[in-house]
Order: sequence, then C-alpha cells, then structure tokens
Amino acid sequence: SAVISQKPSRDICQRGTSLTIQCQVDSQVTMMFWYRQQPGQSLTLIATANQGSEATYESGFVIDKFPISRPNLTFSTLTVSNMSPEDSSIYLCSVDGGGNTEAFFGQGTRLTVV
Amino acid sequence: GENVEQHPSTLSVQEGDSAVIKCTYSDSASNYFPWYKQELGKGPQLIIDIRSNVGEKKDQRIAVTLNKTAKHFSLHITETQPEDSAVYFCAADSGYALNFGKGTSLLVTP
Repeated sequence: SAVISQKPSRDICQRGTSLTIQCQVDSQVTMMFWYRQQPGQSLTLIATANQGSEATYESGFVIDKFPISRPNLTFSTLTVSNMSPEDSSIYLCSVDGGGNTEAFFGQGTRLTVV
Repeated sequence: GENVEQHPSTLSVQEGDSAVIKCTYSDSASNYFPWYKQELGKGPQLIIDIRSNVGEKKDQRIAVTLNKTAKHFSLHITETQPEDSAVYFCAADSGYALNFGKGTSLLVTP
C-alpha cells in the first residue's frame, strides 16, 4: 500500500495567479498521476509523471498551464498557472503498484478561483 | 481511448436493501476493473477490484461481476447501511492509467 500526503488540502486563489500542489508518497514509486475532478464530475487524468523525464499530458492539458515536477521517486508537484474560475476543481495525485494493481489517492486539493 | 459509462448517476435505497451500479467499457484490451468509494472531502478509496480472468469476486457485503464478452461489470452492495452513502466510481485500465466512470451518488436512508 501507499500513503499519499497532498498539500494544500484547499485554497481560494485570485484569478491570474498560480498555485503549486505538492504530493508526497511514503514509498518510492515509478509513476505518479495527476487527476482533476470538477464539481460533481468524474476524475480526468491530467498527466503522468515519471521521475527523470518530462510529464506526459493527456489531450486537452498542456505543460504551460499545468507544469509538473518530479524531482525524485517520492515527490511531485502540479502547478495550476494563470488561474481562472474554470480551474476551480479538486486536484488529486495518485500512484499505483504497477502492473494493474490498486491505485492510491491523496485526499485531494480543493481549489476555488475567484 | 477507453470510454467508461456508469449508471445510474444517483441511487437511493432503504437501509438493508441491495444496491447495484453498472458500468460498460469500450477497450477490449482492458483487464483490470476497480471500484472506488469517495466520501465528502476525501480522495477515492478502493473497495473491490476484479481482473479479466475472473467472472465474479465477493468481499463480505460487496461483490463485483464481470462480463468480458459484453464489456460490462457491476458492483453489488447487499444489506446496505447509512455509512455506505458516498459516491462510487468504476474504472477500467488503459494500460498505464485508469479511466473512470462519471460516478454514482448512493444514498442509503435509515
């Protein structure tokens, strides 16, 4: 299993600013995933982050808007840049055990942009 | 890419009754199908999963069935309790990540 600590748990931000979300895992993992969950909606994958390489973004998400860092095997950050109210969502980081095993999630960051 | 459809979007049952949530998927290569429960203010937590070499799996009051030919799988909760109230998500693997259904908001009333 994996325990994931995600910070901040919530924030209210002004439009045009940026917020960096941190994700710390209690064990070394190869792949970390960032998801967005808009109000009342499902989880949508933003990008996959592997240590030592650039993140891979899903269709509709770009690096300039959601830059990701992955400096080591236990930590990653997601930045939401130049925020607008449409960015108001819950952002979740996730890891899995590899080979189609259980995925573990952080508690999420609830972002409100005003 | 993988498309996961989930029904119903909301479900209300009386305590003690059963609840069934159904999902379909599009990618025949998917072989891992987890179900997650998400309570308010928390991240999703795995409650049960099934792989394609198995047709059914049970864990106490929770069971999952899989029909690979028809590409659908279902979650069954028996003897529901108020603490089962939450949003439930089905998912199917895409080879490197999970694709989620839109979720079912389950309400169990005493």
